[in-house]
Amino acid sequence: AQSVTQLDSHVSVSEGTPVLLRCNYSSSYSPSLFWYVQHPNKGLQLLLKYTSAATLVKGINGFEAEFKKSETSFHLTKPSAHMSDAAEYFCVVSDPNSGGYQKVTFGTGTKLQVIP
Amino acid sequence: EAGVTQFPSHSVIEKGQTVTLRCDPISGHDNLYWYRRVMGKEIKFLLHFVKESKQDESGMPNNRFLAERTGGTYSTLKVQPAELEDSGVYFCASSQGARNPYNEQFFGPGTRLTVL
Repeated sequence: AQSVTQLDSHVSVSEGTPVLLRCNYSSSYSPSLFWYVQHPNKGLQLLLKYTSAATLVKGINGFEAEFKKSETSFHLTKPSAHMSDAAEYFCVVSDPNSGGYQKVTFGTGTKLQVIP
Repeated sequence: EAGVTQFPSHSVIEKGQTVTLRCDPISGHDNLYWYRRVMGKEIKFLLHFVKESKQDESGMPNNRFLAERTGGTYSTLKVQPAELEDSGVYFCASSQGARNPYNEQFFGPGTRLTVL
């Protein structure tokens, strides 16, 4: 069985300071991992994904995440927060199901507040 | 290219009534997923279509929920009769074909269902 834990339900940072959103996962396989972002009244948008290639993954809008197998973590970071980064972020783990199709499990989400 | 669309964006109904949610996936995407987020909880998988067939419906909460995807294009999710605990945001997502855990799922904006 797979699971995802997002350690912080809310994170508040000042504009221009670094962002760290934490995610730990559990999986029986070598999982693929994703970060999605949801802005108010919008659908979820893919920020980045890990697919067993490079462990440091770069995504859109300056975000990146590092896959650390030994720590079962996939934390999301950004060097400098922008006001437009205020949103809710979801860490997602994907394993193949019994039919070989994608089976996705979401974390509970982290709301990022950016203070001017 | 149009993204995943969902209709309606909001629905307010009374307990015992019926509601039908619609999802139009990205053209050509064989995989269609339904998810639900109840207030304060994580986004949970409901079911997965591959074309018109239900590949996995293990997340459907009970037999008050009926999903269809006639012709393998758009999908509907009907709740009949609706109960208070059905309130939440219902997301639809689609992805391209093939059994691939790395596939990005493209999400719609969701339908916010409120049952009074």
